[in-house]
Amino acid sequence: ETGVTQTPRHLVMGMTNKKSLKCEQHLGHNAMYWYKQSAKKPLELMFVYNFKEQTENNSVPSRFSPECPNSSHLFLHLHTLQPEDSALYLCASSQETGGSYEQYFGPGTRLTVT
Amino acid sequence: LAKTTQPISMDSYEGQEVNITCSHNNIATNDYITWYQQFPSQGPRFIIQGYKTKVTNEVASLFIPADRKSSTLSLPRVSLSDTAVYYCLVGDPRIYNQGGKLIFGQGTELSVKP
Repeated sequence: ETGVTQTPRHLVMGMTNKKSLKCEQHLGHNAMYWYKQSAKKPLELMFVYNFKEQTENNSVPSRFSPECPNSSHLFLHLHTLQPEDSALYLCASSQETGGSYEQYFGPGTRLTVT
Repeated sequence: LAKTTQPISMDSYEGQEVNITCSHNNIATNDYITWYQQFPSQGPRFIIQGYKTKVTNEVASLFIPADRKSSTLSLPRVSLSDTAVYYCLVGDPRIYNQGGKLIFGQGTELSVKP
């Protein structure tokens, strides 16, 4: 257990569906992140939130919409996805403590778009 | 951000010491070197971070030469459970937590055999 939880763990959705991924961190961190990891590929950073403000949008298509209502919760709203969006979506959090690069990752949501 | 180069894969046997080297020729003055471990269908887990010389914790050691253009992650007496992908990352944590990017490369797939 890393202190970061993600729900659901698995999700199958059609291309016309709307769904949301949820992430919650119990660590008191001030930064949260969404990553995408496709099969046999490195992690790709999607969004960064620092103190609930979005500070990074890494050229992500608009069919992915993040929401950070408070520093403990992060959502990723999904709509009209494509099959190539099938991947493991990982949430992470961190707290800047004297130059530490340590991020705490959740277990991920395995998304399949049919 | 500094680009990193690691071997794609490595094989080892239980009980052996494993050294994974990462090249980062254009590392900047304020950059730190960080290593993560990732098991299949899980989020990465922080292993160790360093700036120069040698850093050791309960699971690994990190060796950084004076020119800092490379680093070596050393795993003592590996077991089957150390089979995973290991990522080397280089960057300035202060910039990162203010919206900078944490770039994961391809990583090194370590396979430990009995």
